[in-house]
Amino acid sequence: NAGVMQNPRHLVRRRGQEARLRCSPMKGHSHVYWYRQLPEEGLKFMVYLQKENIIDESGMPKERFSAEFPKEGPSILRIQQVVRGDSAAYFCASSLPGQGDEKLFFGSGTQLSVL
Amino acid sequence: QKEVEQNSGPLSVPEGAIASLNCTYSDRGSQSFFWYRQYSGKSPELIMFIYSNGDKEDGRFTAQLNKASQYVSLLIRDSQPSDSATYLCATSGGYNKLIFGAGTRLAVHP
Repeated sequence: NAGVMQNPRHLVRRRGQEARLRCSPMKGHSHVYWYRQLPEEGLKFMVYLQKENIIDESGMPKERFSAEFPKEGPSILRIQQVVRGDSAAYFCASSLPGQGDEKLFFGSGTQLSVL
Repeated sequence: QKEVEQNSGPLSVPEGAIASLNCTYSDRGSQSFFWYRQYSGKSPELIMFIYSNGDKEDGRFTAQLNKASQYVSLLIRDSQPSDSATYLCATSGGYNKLIFGAGTRLAVHP
């Protein structure tokens, strides 16, 4: 039973480029959450998605960031025109519908480095 | 805006001792609390959750919740070097939207 899969594990981009981070939830999970962890800080909620729907994007920066979770395929977190301040670890988590907070499973994260 | 505060540490304890990690939260209405362990460069791993006032024990771990004081703690008995990690305290912001503290680094030395 594979866990939450994220790729790439490490991503290097130059300022102004686009970053695409992918997340495949655990089998059977239809809820996906993205969190960002800046160096020496805790995880910050970004967005909560269900299949083809954004449920809560209150933690997403207003510009350059977008997320999707299509009917088929992984969830994608897209960052356009990256800046150095976007350098962070981005974690995806998934859960089953109706599960409590203790049933949230995290992936291994994508470390984004912006040069 | 809910907030969770933790001392960043590092908290250094000798092997075999009890490690005590503390966390305070701002929203008196918060109901559920979580402790995650995160090794360097790895994903957070849930080790304890607690919803009711008092103590909850699981093996070497005990979570303590005091809602009147808005205080959550994690005790690790018989600390091992393998317990060396960052411990993140979190509370629920609804819909699995967890609000994390910055974490406390624990170092257990032989």
